[in-house]
Amino acid sequence: KQEVTQIPAALSVPEGENLVLNCSFTDSAIYNLQWFRQDPGKGLTSLLLIQSSQREQTSGRLNASLDKSSGRSTLYIAASQPGDSATYLCAPRGNMLTFGGGTRLMVKP
Amino acid sequence: DAGVIQSPRHEVTEMGQEVTLRCKPISGHNSLFWYRQTMMRGLELLIYFNNNVPIDDSGMPEDRFSAKMPNASFSTLKIQPSEPRDSAVYFCASSAQEAYTEAFFGQGTRLTVV
Repeated sequence: KQEVTQIPAALSVPEGENLVLNCSFTDSAIYNLQWFRQDPGKGLTSLLLIQSSQREQTSGRLNASLDKSSGRSTLYIAASQPGDSATYLCAPRGNMLTFGGGTRLMVKP
Repeated sequence: DAGVIQSPRHEVTEMGQEVTLRCKPISGHNSLFWYRQTMMRGLELLIYFNNNVPIDDSGMPEDRFSAKMPNASFSTLKIQPSEPRDSAVYFCASSAQEAYTEAFFGQGTRLTVV
C-alpha cells in the first residue's frame, strides 16, 4: 500500500522567499505524480502533473521535480506571494491516487 | 466543460438518516474516485471506479457506506444509517482512463451529521 509523507507539515515565511516543499512515497511503481493546492473550505486545484518518465515540470513560478527510484518529489515555489498561502498536497498515481497529509503554507506580507 | 460537479454542496442530517451524495464526472473520463477529508485523517480514498466498475473499495469504512456508478456520467455515495463520525467533506474526482492523465476534483460536499 502506497504511503505518502509531506515535509514540512506547516511553513510560515515572509513574502519573496523561495520555498521547497517535499514529498516522499514508498511505492515507486507510479505512472505520474500530481501536486495540488487547496484553499480553506475549497476543493483541490491541480497545479502540476509530472509523468514518471519526466524529471521536472514547470508552470510559472512553480517547478516540480520527480525522482521515482528514490520515491521523492519536490515542489519549488519562486518569489512567494501572500496569494500562495494554501495547503499543498502531492499525490503519486499508481492504480489509485494516494495523498500525503499536505504542507500548510502561510506567506506573510 | 464544467468540471466535476458534486451535489449537494452542504448537507446537514440527523443521526440515523440516509444520506446520498452525487457526482457527475467530466465527460469522457472513465476513472472516478471518492474521497473523504477530515482534519484528523486528511484525504482518504474510499472507492475507485474504472469504466463504471468498482476496482478497489478497501477504503470504504463499513457496510453503512455504499457507492454506485450506474453509467459513465453519474455516481452516488450513500451512507445508511448516518452517524456523527461520518461528518466530513466528501470529494469526487475523475480522470481519463489512461492512468498517466490528470485527475480533477469537484468542490466537495460538506456533510454534518447531528
